[in-house]
Amino acid sequence: QVQLVESGGGVVQPGKSLKLSCAASGFSFSNFAMHWVRQAPGKGLEWLAVIWFDGSDKYYAGSVKGRFTISRDNSNNVLYLQMNNLEDEDTAIYYCAKEVGSTYFYYYAVDVWGHGATVTVSS
Amino acid sequence: QSTLTQVPSASGSPGQSVTISCTGTRSDVGIYNYVSWYQHLPGKPPKLIIYDVNKRPSGVPSRFSGSKSGNTASLTVSELQAEDEGDYYCSSYSGNSVVIFGGGTRLTV
Repeated sequence: QVQLVESGGGVVQPGKSLKLSCAASGFSFSNFAMHWVRQAPGKGLEWLAVIWFDGSDKYYAGSVKGRFTISRDNSNNVLYLQMNNLEDEDTAIYYCAKEVGSTYFYYYAVDVWGHGATVTVSS
Repeated sequence: QSTLTQVPSASGSPGQSVTISCTGTRSDVGIYNYVSWYQHLPGKPPKLIIYDVNKRPSGVPSRFSGSKSGNTASLTVSELQAEDEGDYYCSSYSGNSVVIFGGGTRLTV
């Protein structure tokens, strides 16, 4: 069964850091690009970042570029999101998600989502 | 980067059809066919229902269909059912491996 499970969410003060993890199972993790998407309270979905299947390239939304870092461990089927210098506006549910296309074939769409990790930035 | 424009709400009666639009620019929807639609029901993660403008993932009913004309993509839900009620988001590739979402449309059945 294809599954993504996020962990590492919590309450953090502004300016601090937090690292999310996403454990993948049920598919060949190392063959797929992976994305992070978030949803702030009462707001819509916001795409944050993508990492290529082999980790060779990473791209970010302007709102998090320079503060967030996406990475992956293909040996252990885990995706990460390192979040630094957190702001109140980063309060959201963070979803990891699997790219539809495999290896070098991208559709920039995601067909498997985790249930999300809640991050609250508050003093 | 900006978001795609969606009307905040749409509605229809059971059995009817409803179309939700998603307007972008010549730099995203207008030039790329990487347009997707997601259904987001309360308490659940989003679900992909359309990708590549008009492709349906396995298991998605044929009542859901997608299209694109110029800078505007559309999602049509035919034969509306009560369980279709929820939020619908479009997304598009906007170059440089960046994806943007629409603001979402709440569908009421």
